[in-house]
Amino acid sequence: NAGVTQTPKFQVLKTGQSMTLQCAQDMNHEYMSWYRQDPGMGLRLIHYSVGAGITDQGEVPNGYNVSRSTTEDFPLRLLSAAPSQTSVYFCASRTDRNQETQYFGPGTRLLVL
Amino acid sequence: AQSVTQLGSHVSVSEGALVLLRCNYSSSVPPYLFWYVQYPNQGLQLLLKYTTGATLVKGINGFEAEFKKSETSFHLTKPSAHMSDAAEYFCAVSDLSGGYNKLIFGAGTRLAVHP
Repeated sequence: NAGVTQTPKFQVLKTGQSMTLQCAQDMNHEYMSWYRQDPGMGLRLIHYSVGAGITDQGEVPNGYNVSRSTTEDFPLRLLSAAPSQTSVYFCASRTDRNQETQYFGPGTRLLVL
Repeated sequence: AQSVTQLGSHVSVSEGALVLLRCNYSSSVPPYLFWYVQYPNQGLQLLLKYTTGATLVKGINGFEAEFKKSETSFHLTKPSAHMSDAAEYFCAVSDLSGGYNKLIFGAGTRLAVHP
């Protein structure tokens, strides 16, 4: 199993540009999440999904959209990038049992100029 | 709302010395607690977790943590630090409010190990 994969590893955007961060998992996990990591703030939940076709907002959803058309994929879209979205983005997945471990992808480092 | 406080954003120890990384949480219900480690330019890897049962939890790489309900703490320890332990460590608590098991992370503690 590849686990959780994310592309790209690094991206530079100009303010106002759009892009999609890709996330895929091959563990047949129902639950997937997107987090952003900023210095001194740990990881904060952006959006999550409890299954194909079902998504919801997390702690810091503004400026981001998600969709979940398949169990495997959970892309994160930035419609109009802002410098405040400069961060490292992590995708995670787990089974639907509450105490189960979340598995994290390697991250996407995004710089918005 | 749940919250996690990690005392000390940077901790430095000598190789072979005790590692102690502190984590306190706020929770109105019995929590699930986690420690994750992040090596440079990598994702997060689970070190250990507490769900129910024994309060002393052993994890990978010789780390362990003890859940102390009376102190609302879940400190991470390792008896003897190794150079390879240098990384950032995150404590997290499960937040089940809203019907979804979200992880609430602390700000992280960067561990440096010097010879």
